[in-house]
This record gives sequence, structure tokens and C-alpha cells, in this order.
Amino acid sequence: EAQVTQNPRYLITVTGKKLTVTCSQNMNHEYMSWYRQDPGLGLRQIYYSMNVEVTDKGDVPEGYKVSRKEKRNFPLILESPSPNQTSLYFCVTRDRWDSNQPQHFGDGTRLSIL
Amino acid sequence: GQNIDQPTEMTATEGAIVQINCTYQTSGFNGLFWYQQHAGEAPTFLSYNVLDGLEEKGRFSSFLSRSKGYSYLLLKELQMKDSASYLCAVRDGAGGSYIPTFGRGTSLIVHP
Repeated sequence: EAQVTQNPRYLITVTGKKLTVTCSQNMNHEYMSWYRQDPGLGLRQIYYSMNVEVTDKGDVPEGYKVSRKEKRNFPLILESPSPNQTSLYFCVTRDRWDSNQPQHFGDGTRLSIL
Repeated sequence: GQNIDQPTEMTATEGAIVQINCTYQTSGFNGLFWYQQHAGEAPTFLSYNVLDGLEEKGRFSSFLSRSKGYSYLLLKELQMKDSASYLCAVRDGAGGSYIPTFGRGTSLIVHP
């Protein structure tokens, strides 16, 4: 079954404590990305990766890092989380960056930074 | 970048028809997607339009006019389970990015 798996699904943590949200896909997709979703602001892209070892900033990259060492994994790293990073995060994949195929969403990770 | 506008909220009655509009401004239009998102869940794909006209898929249809920068999602025979947020996403090919930008979503409430 085609899947985009995010972990954890829920996390409550404190300011400054480094955390990583993992994303793994089993569809051999080249394109992977991270979005955050906030009430009234919609989905905004944080970072994206067109292929292994290729990453680029989205619309709201500040305070986040990513890496793409393998095709299937695209972790999102918050080196020093702050309360304004409290949000619902989605990992989103597509077969290729220029494909017309729909994007696949992970189930989401709800982060609360106290 | 793009400006994407959708109504914030709409209400409708079970069994009725509702049209959710989306207007956009983009320099290199390369496709428009509609997604449905139930509260607390991930968005799910509904439709894709890249050419002008109507695409029909069961109770859902999506229309595109590129010259007007306008799309709508039409939901027929509304059911209670259609209560959800509907997201319009526009892809811009200018600069080679091809990354969809999402509107803020339209929250649809279906009443019995």
C-alpha cells in the first residue's frame, strides 16, 4: 500500500529542545516537501526536495532544517523550537517535481511547543 | 508567487448543490488542484484542471477558466459527510518551480 508515514503524530515539548519529525515514503517518489498548516493561514511550504541531496527553501523556512540523504526519507529538524512553531505539519510527496499527478499527504504531526 | 482567494466559509443543506469559487493570479499557470480536508485529517485529492472546461467525477465537478483566473468546485446531492474544508491549490511553472501554492481553504458546513 502506498504510504507516507510521519512520526510522531503528536508531540508536546518545550522551547529550545531539539526535535526531529521523520517522514518516510514507499512509492519511490523523487519529490518530497514539508508544509505547516495554521488557522487562517492555510498550508504553507517550509522546505522541499526534488531528489536525493537536493533541497530548497519554501515560503517559511526560518527555524527549520531538512536533509535528503536517501530517497525514501525527508526528516524535518527544529534545532531550537519556539512557541510560534506550534502547528500541524504535513509531509507531502509526488513522483516527480514537475508531475501532474496529485500529491500524497502524510497523516500529519501536531506539534505543541510550550 | 500567486494570490489565491476562496471564501472562508459556506453553508448548505443536505441534498442541495453548492459551488465553491477560487480565483488566482499567477504568472505561469500550470494546473489547479482541489483537495478535501476533514478536521484533524490530511487533505485528500479531488480533482486536477489544466485546460479550460469542466471535469466531472461523480458528485463532484471542477471548472477552470484560465483567461479569468477562476475555478470552481461543484458539489451535488450534498451529504453530511461533505462537511469539510476545501482547498484550492495553484501550480506556477514560471521559474521552473512547479510547486503548488494553497489557498486558505473554504470551510463547508452541511446542515440536515
